[in-house]
Amino acid sequence: DAGVIQSPRHEVTEMGQEVTLRCKPISGHDYLFWYRQTMMRGLELLIYFNNNVPIDDSGMPEDRFSAKMPNASFSTLKIQPSEPRDSAVYFCASSSPRDRGEETQYFGPGTRLLVL
Amino acid sequence: DQQVKQNSPSLSVQEGRISILNCDYTNSMFDYFLWYKKYPAEGPTFLISISSIKDKNEDGRFTVFLNKSAKHLSLHIVPSQPGDSAVYFCAAKGFGNEKLTFGTGTRLTIIP
Repeated sequence: DAGVIQSPRHEVTEMGQEVTLRCKPISGHDYLFWYRQTMMRGLELLIYFNNNVPIDDSGMPEDRFSAKMPNASFSTLKIQPSEPRDSAVYFCASSSPRDRGEETQYFGPGTRLLVL
Repeated sequence: DQQVKQNSPSLSVQEGRISILNCDYTNSMFDYFLWYKKYPAEGPTFLISISSIKDKNEDGRFTVFLNKSAKHLSLHIVPSQPGDSAVYFCAAKGFGNEKLTFGTGTRLTIIP
């Protein structure tokens, strides 16, 4: 398996623009997570899905952020409008309790977002 | 409120010596703890974990210790190697909950 795939890897945009981050989880995984990494707060969970249904979105900063999972193999995180303080690395991760071993989540390589 | 804390942002250790990374948590509902390792421009990768029913778990050069009464865990790397230079994240989860709560990370630098 190719692992969790994220696109784009880098995104530079101007304040006020819409940004869409994309994620393809590992095939067969039924949990998908969106994280944001910053120096000050480390890795923060934004939202997670189970079987394409949002379970916990308490980490979503504000209404400018939205996430969707239209099917088991694709998810998007959208920021509209973007602000400079949204600059961070955004990670997508997936997991499957059926694969219960020691590891719970597999992470993608991340999208580095810079909002000017 | 930071439920998982890594109070040392950085740590430098001589190659061949022991590296000890620390993590504290406040939520008594956490019952499973993990360490992830992260290289620049990559996503975190799982390293080792421990259940709350144990106080130690070992995997090669890596050992995780859990002190439930102190709500403290530590990761020991012996011997430390240059390839261990990375950011290490401590994470915790509660029973039946897929949600992981991460610490802010510790940057480990192994000095040749």
